[in-house]
Amino acid sequence: QQQVKQSPQSLIVQKGGISIINCAYENTAFDYFPWYQQFPGKGPALLIAIRPDVSEKKEGRFTISFNKSAKQFSLHIMDSQPGDSATYFCAASTAGRRALTFGSGTRLQVQP
Amino acid sequence: DAGVIQSPRHEVTEMGQEVTLRCKPISGHNSLFWYRQTMMRGLELLIYFNNNVPIDDSGMPEDRFSAKMPNASFSTLKIQPSEPRDSAVYFCASSPRQGITEAFFGQGTRLTVV
Repeated sequence: QQQVKQSPQSLIVQKGGISIINCAYENTAFDYFPWYQQFPGKGPALLIAIRPDVSEKKEGRFTISFNKSAKQFSLHIMDSQPGDSATYFCAASTAGRRALTFGSGTRLQVQP
Repeated sequence: DAGVIQSPRHEVTEMGQEVTLRCKPISGHNSLFWYRQTMMRGLELLIYFNNNVPIDDSGMPEDRFSAKMPNASFSTLKIQPSEPRDSAVYFCASSPRQGITEAFFGQGTRLTVV
């Protein structure tokens, strides 16, 4: 019940295109859904996060869409840039257990 | 603030040796997490502390792994004896306070056991 499933495993997008990464969860107690970005040799860094009381959150070119009934959430990167090339992880946690459960990661490559 | 500081950045050791990984969380953060990252298993939680007290160690693989947090500014993860399957990148992360679950990660320690 703690699992978070992420797809696709890898993604290639042309510069200026839209990158979409999807995640699904099982545990309905999850109440915090962040996305982390990781560059090679670095630790993951928080990109954007959402709580289940809203269906969408936008920060610049990054948008999280959240579907509580389907237990799914996704990351959209608009106008993708080569500098966005990184590995992206979705995650989830509950208020009672603050540790994050991570998805398996998506390696994004944005071609110039 | 310098962020979460981990040492060493890289560690190569022989099978059977003891390995100690170190972490200094961000000042004022009261939760500390140890994660392990591998290609096969991704990012998995090993243990986390709240106010220096271990809260959940269910991710610690076996008795060869142990973690301590003697004070709010320091934590260690020890593997004794180490095995080749322990080779991974180990991350330490900290969070500021209850209810705020953003985790700030360190640069990680890449451990290779030969």
